[in-house]
Amino acid sequence: AQSVTQLDSQVPVFEEAPVELRCNYSSSVSVYLFWYVQYPNQGLQLLLKYLSGSTLVESINGFEAEFNKSQTSFHLRKPSVHISDTAEYFCAVILTGGGNKLTFGTGTQLKVEL
Amino acid sequence: KAGVTQTPRYLIKTRGQQVTLSCSPISGHRSVSWYQQTPGQGLQFLFEYFSETQRNKGNFPGRFSGRQFSNSRSEMNVSTLELGDSALYLCASSWDSRANVLTFGAGSRLTVL
Repeated sequence: AQSVTQLDSQVPVFEEAPVELRCNYSSSVSVYLFWYVQYPNQGLQLLLKYLSGSTLVESINGFEAEFNKSQTSFHLRKPSVHISDTAEYFCAVILTGGGNKLTFGTGTQLKVEL
Repeated sequence: KAGVTQTPRYLIKTRGQQVTLSCSPISGHRSVSWYQQTPGQGLQFLFEYFSETQRNKGNFPGRFSGRQFSNSRSEMNVSTLELGDSALYLCASSWDSRANVLTFGAGSRLTVL
């Protein structure tokens, strides 16, 4: 069975500083990888995805993630965070050919401070 | 284009009661999935429906059930509620059961007293 590990439950960072949220996965078959963001009292919003092609994927608001197959990682990075990036971030996988069943990590709370 | 709509947004029930939650997917989406989010267990997959058929099921007891209608709207039902069923229930839709990209609703927050 597949699993997703987000080692950091909380990451505090000052505004305009860079940040990296770590995600590692375990699976015996190929997976698709996702990052979702959840703001307080809201559902999940897709931040970015890796399905195939270039291993570096970017979102419209400056986040990027790189799929590293050898290290089974999909870390999320942003070179300069804003106060509005404060939220919980979830890494997730879907088995290729496995329908729409997402397996989520436990989440990382990003807190951006002034 | 309207997003995924979940109703009700908040509800309070007592132990032993049952509850029905509703999800209207994005127009044209035929796959609907349900997830449970709790502080202790995180986000867990409940089930997925596509064209009125259950395609996938998570590891939840039989008290949790769902269905999908011909217009792709979905409902999930929890019978004999327990305190541990208190959670945010999230619905997600996708145009196809293999599309892999899901759009989530805002969720229904259930509190069981």
